[in-house]
Amino acid sequence: GENVEQHPSTLSVQEGDSAVIKCTYSDSASNYFPWYKQELGKRPQLIIDIRSNVGEKKDQRIAVTLNKTAKHFSLHITETQPEDSAVYFCAASIDNYGQNFVFGPGTRLSVLP
Amino acid sequence: DVKVTQSSRYLVKRTGEKVFLECVQDMDHENMFWYRQDPGLGLRLIYFSYDVKMKEKGDIPEGYSVSREKKERFSLILESASTNQTSMYLCASSDGSTNEKLFFGSGTQLSVL
Repeated sequence: GENVEQHPSTLSVQEGDSAVIKCTYSDSASNYFPWYKQELGKRPQLIIDIRSNVGEKKDQRIAVTLNKTAKHFSLHITETQPEDSAVYFCAASIDNYGQNFVFGPGTRLSVLP
Repeated sequence: DVKVTQSSRYLVKRTGEKVFLECVQDMDHENMFWYRQDPGLGLRLIYFSYDVKMKEKGDIPEGYSVSREKKERFSLILESASTNQTSMYLCASSDGSTNEKLFFGSGTQLSVL
């Protein structure tokens, strides 16, 4: 079955710097890769996603890149702000409809003022 | 806005008790999921359902069962709670037909003593 690894497990950056979180997956059939953000004490929320027919997607300060050959995808946050501090989870779809996922273990991002 | 409501935010139970965790969504979503969240392990899928009366095992179904008698409600049942089931439980739903985005509930922190 699908296995998703995520690195690093914790990440501290200075406000204004960039942050990069990397995930690898094992099943080449996976075709949909969402990223969820969970602020302290709150529910996870989707922040960006990418499908296998696209190499990169951007939404303001957030971008995701996908390398299908190498089976890895990354989240890039530029100009980090204190409100970016949270746990970030990557995920990979495990069915043909993209309705079910395996999640990575999460990365705790701390943005230091 | 989609609302996924979990009946309890915090729950304390004794070993051997039968525990019911309730989840209700108000957007007529087809798919509903139960995840368990533990530090360093991310979100692990316990059970999911793509339709009323339908249920499928996820990655860690042992010790759990589910019920989906109505489309909007998905219940997680711990037949005989054990201390290793102390965890944060997250319910989620998704449209199923047009959008893979998961909408999560606020979670139930279950402590089994």
